Amino acid sequence: DTGVSQNPRHKITKRGQNVTFRCDPISEHNRLYWYRQTLGQGPEFLTYFQNEAQLEKSRLLSDRFSAERPKGSFSTLEIQRTEQGDSAMYLCASSHGVGGEQFFGPGTRLTVL
Amino acid sequence: SQQGEEDPQALSIQEGENATMNCSYKTSINNLQWYRQNSGRGLVHLILIRSNEREKHSGRLRVTLDTSKKSSSLLITASRAADTASYFCATDAGSGYALNFGKGTSLLVTP
Repeated sequence: DTGVSQNPRHKITKRGQNVTFRCDPISEHNRLYWYRQTLGQGPEFLTYFQNEAQLEKSRLLSDRFSAERPKGSFSTLEIQRTEQGDSAMYLCASSHGVGGEQFFGPGTRLTVL
Repeated sequence: SQQGEEDPQALSIQEGENATMNCSYKTSINNLQWYRQNSGRGLVHLILIRSNEREKHSGRLRVTLDTSKKSSSLLITASRAADTASYFCATDAGSGYALNFGKGTSLLVTP
């Protein structure tokens, strides 16, 4: 399968714990995006990378969130000291170039107890 | 904050009927895209229309864009039960081309 993959698909954690999600984009795509989606809402942009450079971050991305894309390949999104409000679906997308279609992964559903 | 606003929030039709969803947005855009999301799954890209285009077709889908009214519509003709999903419009306007999604229209197509 050459689509965008995300791991894990589901994560249940206790409040205060740290979690890390991984996204593997389509191999030739240089742009990678992270979004968060809560129930009944559309996805909300968190951050994006062009190759290994993190070029834009949303105000939604608090200090507890950090994202990396070493070597411009896969990306990780870490949430430290999770809160119940962090419970959501975290979606990763990739694209080739600017202003085109974004290909989304299946998402990681986070539940913070 | 979300840029787009879909209307209606929910739509229920029978197979074979047409479904029309509307999207309004607030700021100037480079392009507008429509995505479909089946329950609990990732988003699938349906169609992209650029700001200098007015209408686009793809199979049973027809999208219009009116930049003067900052609105778009998605028409699905001859709907099928498999079209049951949430439909989102997404605009990009920023330098990063991150997408701004609306809250979506939930479409139910009954046999």
